Amino acid sequence: EAQVTQNPRYLITVTGKKLTVTCSQNMNHEYMSWYRQDPGLGLRQIYYSMNVEVTDKGDVPEGYKVSRKEKRNFPLILESPSPNQTSLYFCASGHHGTSVSNGELFFGEGSRLTVL
Amino acid sequence: SQQGEEDPQALSIQEGENATMNCSYKTSINNLQWYRQNSGRGLVHLILIRSNEREKHSGRLRVTLDTSKKSSSLLITASRAADTASYFCATVVLQGAQKLVFGQGTRLTINP
Repeated sequence: EAQVTQNPRYLITVTGKKLTVTCSQNMNHEYMSWYRQDPGLGLRQIYYSMNVEVTDKGDVPEGYKVSRKEKRNFPLILESPSPNQTSLYFCASGHHGTSVSNGELFFGEGSRLTVL
Repeated sequence: SQQGEEDPQALSIQEGENATMNCSYKTSINNLQWYRQNSGRGLVHLILIRSNEREKHSGRLRVTLDTSKKSSSLLITASRAADTASYFCATVVLQGAQKLVFGQGTRLTINP
C-alpha cells in the first residue's frame, strides 16, 4: 500500500530536549516536504527536498533541521525544542518531475507535538 | 502571506444540498489543487486544475478556475455527512520555489 509514514504520532516533550520526527514514503517520490499546521495560521512549509541530498528552506525553517540521505526518508529534527514549536506536523511526498505543481502531494497522518 | 485564501471560513449545510467554496490567490499559477482534511488527519488530494483549464469534474466534485480573477471554486453536489471536513486550495507561484502553498481552508459541516 502506497503511504507516507510518520513517527511518533503523538509526543510530549520538554524544552531543550532534542527530538526527531521520522518520515518515510514507499512510492519512490523525489519530492518530500514538512509542514506545520496551527489554528488560525493554516499549513506552513518548514523545509522541502527535491531529491537525495537536496534540501531547501520553506516559510518557517527556524528551529528545525532536515536531512535527505536516502530517497525514502526525510526526518525532521528539533535540536532544542521550544513551546512555540508545539504544533501538528505533516510530512508529504510527491512525484512531480520538473515542478511540484504538476501533481498531488501524499500526506502522512500527522505528528502532534507538545513542548512544555 | 498565504497564496490561496478560501472563502467562507466555515460553511454548514443540510445533507443533500450543494456546497460551494471559493479560493482566491495573488500571483500567476501553473496549476491549482484542492485537498480535503478530516479532523486531525492528513490531507487528501481531490483534484488538480491546470491554468489553461476552466472547469473540471470528478464524481460529485466540480472545480472552476478563472485566471483573470485569480479565483477558483469547489462545488460538492448532493452533499453527504462523510463530506464533513476542511477543504484547502493549494497553488505554486510560477517564479517561486518548489513549494505548494495552502490557504487556511473552509470548514464544511454537513448536517444529517
